[in-house]
Amino acid sequence: DAGVIQSPRHEVTEMGQEVTLRCKPISGHDYLFWYRQTMMRGLELLIYFNNNVPIDDSGMPEDRFSAKMPNASFSTLKIQPSEPRDSAVYFCASSPSNRPGTEAFFGQGTRLTVV
Amino acid sequence: AQSVAQPEDQVNVAEGNPLTVKCTYSVSGNPYLFWYVQYPNRGLQFLLKYITGDNLVKGSYGFEAEFNKSQTSFHLKKPSALVSDSALYFCAVRVPYSGAGSYQLTFGKGTKLSVIP
Repeated sequence: DAGVIQSPRHEVTEMGQEVTLRCKPISGHDYLFWYRQTMMRGLELLIYFNNNVPIDDSGMPEDRFSAKMPNASFSTLKIQPSEPRDSAVYFCASSPSNRPGTEAFFGQGTRLTVV
Repeated sequence: AQSVAQPEDQVNVAEGNPLTVKCTYSVSGNPYLFWYVQYPNRGLQFLLKYITGDNLVKGSYGFEAEFNKSQTSFHLKKPSALVSDSALYFCAVRVPYSGAGSYQLTFGKGTKLSVIP
């Protein structure tokens, strides 16, 4: 398996534009997570899905952020409109189950810069 | 609520010396603990985990970690550091199953390890 695949790797956009980040989890994994990494706040969990259903979106910073998982092999994180403070590295991760012994597998991240 | 603290933002160690990266946690109930490593411009890679059993856990690349319940700590260690170990290290904690579909994984802020040749 190629692991968790994220696209694009880098995104530069202007303030006010819509940004869509994409993620393909590892096949067979039931859990998908979106994290944001910044110097100030470290790694923050934004939202996670179980079997394509959002379970906890309490980490989504505001209504400008939305996430979907239309099927088991694809998820998007959308920011509309984007703001400079959204600049960060966004990671997608997946896990085969929520059993204690299972760990999460991370993609390489999308570095977002909003100017 | 669960939390993880990594008290050191940066750790410097000479190549060949032992290294320790500290982690303490706070949870209700028995914790499941993880260490991840992040190399520059890469995603997080799993190193090792503690679920139950032996307090000393061995993982990838010669790393190990010791679970200490009384001190609520899970420090990462390696007997002899390599320059290639230089990276950002994250400690993470999960709590046992707490509801259908639940999966609460909380990360510390990370510790930058620099191994000096």
